[in-house]
Amino acid sequence: GAGVSQSPSNKVTEKGKDVELRCDPISGHTALYWYRQRLGQGLEFLIYFQGNSAPDKSGLPSDRFSAERTGESVSTLTIQRTQQEDSAVYLCASSRDPLAGGEQFFGPGTRLTVL
Amino acid sequence: RKEVEQDPGPFNVPEGATVAFNCTYSNSASQSFFWYRQDCRKEPKLLMSVYSSGNEDGRFTAQLNRASQYISLLIRDSKLSDSATYLCVVNTGSYIPTFGRGTSLIVHP
Repeated sequence: GAGVSQSPSNKVTEKGKDVELRCDPISGHTALYWYRQRLGQGLEFLIYFQGNSAPDKSGLPSDRFSAERTGESVSTLTIQRTQQEDSAVYLCASSRDPLAGGEQFFGPGTRLTVL
Repeated sequence: RKEVEQDPGPFNVPEGATVAFNCTYSNSASQSFFWYRQDCRKEPKLLMSVYSSGNEDGRFTAQLNRASQYISLLIRDSKLSDSATYLCVVNTGSYIPTFGRGTSLIVHP
């Protein structure tokens, strides 16, 4: 079946612009996660959705970052007034059973470059 | 102490070698454990779950040592295609698993 998809695959933007990153999880997966991975670094947790609710937003690095999920499906991560330090790969993952913990399926990521 | 720690490597081994990685975790209440594989500029993919009794999948063997709070991954008969970063993942029963920073493996001819 279809896996997790993300769009765009690459995004180049100028400092100060807003960007929207999209994630389509696997159908039926109730849990959805966003991570950030800077070059050569590990995964940095950003936010988690259970259904359409985000019980844990603790990883969002600043108030320039926000995310929403609708229809227990697609999610959008928005970064306002982008800064150069926002440059990274943004990964989305979904999970069928959140209490199964680590069994996540990742999308291919969006590579964001802020000039 | 970090929640999940891994030796970043790189581990540089010849084809056919056996190599093992460890991953230590700090929370004794951790309940589930996994190894993921991440190829260069690709997304992480689940390699295998780690069960209390240990488990094997072809050339890969995973083990859990709860007393010492670590998990291990053993790769036998290494292939060039095994070159990747191996991520340890630990979950305490919450919705958010904790990823290690990964161990880099390079298999050379």
